[in-house]
Amino acid sequence: NAGVTQTPKFRILKIGQSMTLQCTQDMNHNYMYWYRQDPGMGLKLIYYSVGAGITDKGEVPNGYNVSRSTTEDFPLRLELAAPSQTSVYFCASSLPESANYGYTFGSGTRLTVV
Amino acid sequence: QQQVKQSPQSLIVQKGGIPIINCAYENTAFDYFPWYQQFPGKGPALLIAIRPDVSEKKEGRFTISFNKSAKQFSLHIMDSQPGDSATYFCAASRYGGATNKLIFGTGTLLAVQP
Repeated sequence: NAGVTQTPKFRILKIGQSMTLQCTQDMNHNYMYWYRQDPGMGLKLIYYSVGAGITDKGEVPNGYNVSRSTTEDFPLRLELAAPSQTSVYFCASSLPESANYGYTFGSGTRLTVV
Repeated sequence: QQQVKQSPQSLIVQKGGIPIINCAYENTAFDYFPWYQQFPGKGPALLIAIRPDVSEKKEGRFTISFNKSAKQFSLHIMDSQPGDSATYFCAASRYGGATNKLIFGTGTLLAVQP
């Protein structure tokens, strides 16, 4: 059972480039989330999805896009990368009907924009 | 009103000490309060969670205390060990809500010295 898998683990982008951060989960969780983590700022929600074909903005969505074509996958797209997008990105999933009710996080993608 | 305020930002204790991390929330609709533990290079992992129907919850050496009237909750780590050194995040959400979105605190970096 792999849980939540994120790729790549590290990436350096030049300003203006674009990339997709991949996230896949094998737990059949309906809900998926993208957070960014910056020092001293905690975790900020970028986008979330409550099921295939359904996505919505979180607290800091500008400069990002998402899609959810399957239950398993929830990629995050960065268009026109900017230095302000240098961060660690975490994907998470949850199954609220479960007794646990908690999030399962991936191991993160560390992105640097130069 | 969506904020969760966490303190202190960092904490150093000796082995066997009892570090205490505090969080405060504003939104009275929140009724689910988890704590996450994050080791360097890893994603956060659910540690313990509480709902407002109880004032305290213990799991092993970890205890959550909850004060509904003050809108505050705290994490206590009994007999702390060097292996507890990590970043701890509190969070809040509406249990059973349509999205299960968690609002995270800014994190506390805990160092337990041998």
